[in-house]
Amino acid sequence: QKEVEQNSGPLSVPEGAIASLNCTYSDRGSQSFFWYRQYSGKSPELIMFIYSNGDKEDGRFTAQLNKASQYVSLLIRDSQPSDSATYLCAVNQAGTALIFGKGTTLSVSS
Amino acid sequence: SAVISQKPSRDICQRGTSLTIQCQVDSQVTMMFWYRQQPGQSLTLIATANQGSEATYESGFVIDKFPISRPNLTFSTLTVSNMSPEDSSIYLCSVEDLGVLLDNEQFFGPGTRLTVL
Repeated sequence: QKEVEQNSGPLSVPEGAIASLNCTYSDRGSQSFFWYRQYSGKSPELIMFIYSNGDKEDGRFTAQLNKASQYVSLLIRDSQPSDSATYLCAVNQAGTALIFGKGTTLSVSS
Repeated sequence: SAVISQKPSRDICQRGTSLTIQCQVDSQVTMMFWYRQQPGQSLTLIATANQGSEATYESGFVIDKFPISRPNLTFSTLTVSNMSPEDSSIYLCSVEDLGVLLDNEQFFGPGTRLTVL
């Protein structure tokens, strides 16, 4: 059974702080790793993807991947109240459907 | 990324009836998937919609309950048959286009919020 684990939270951080979201996965054959943001009542929105070990930065977001540890994380710098949402970690192999974690709820207080 | 639309956006249905949800993409895509998101839960894959052949269903989902069509590379439908209140959920279509670079990001439609009374 392929699984993706996330801490459900809520994770609460003050505005301007760094939010750190973590995810582990069970399938060593996983090739692609995604972070989706989902606002209440909306569909998931892709914000980051990473394929190789190391860090990938895009604006305030940094995705980190460690395949040996089967671990992927998302850092959000200078957190804003508009970042408050549920963050879903997902993994797959090319051409297959995503396997989602249960999501971590982030709350950024102003 | 592809633009994905779903119809209807929401519906309230009586138990025992069926609802067909449509997913339309503005470009041809390789892969189309149907997911379900029950209240307060994460996304669960129902099936992969295969163009020109029968869909591939995940464990716990069967064709009689969730028939799927995919007549071409831009369109798919999911039917929720003989509905019960337990089928109340958000149903999401997603697409992936392997493309030249073999990037396999998946993008989601806006979802269909179904309530079964």
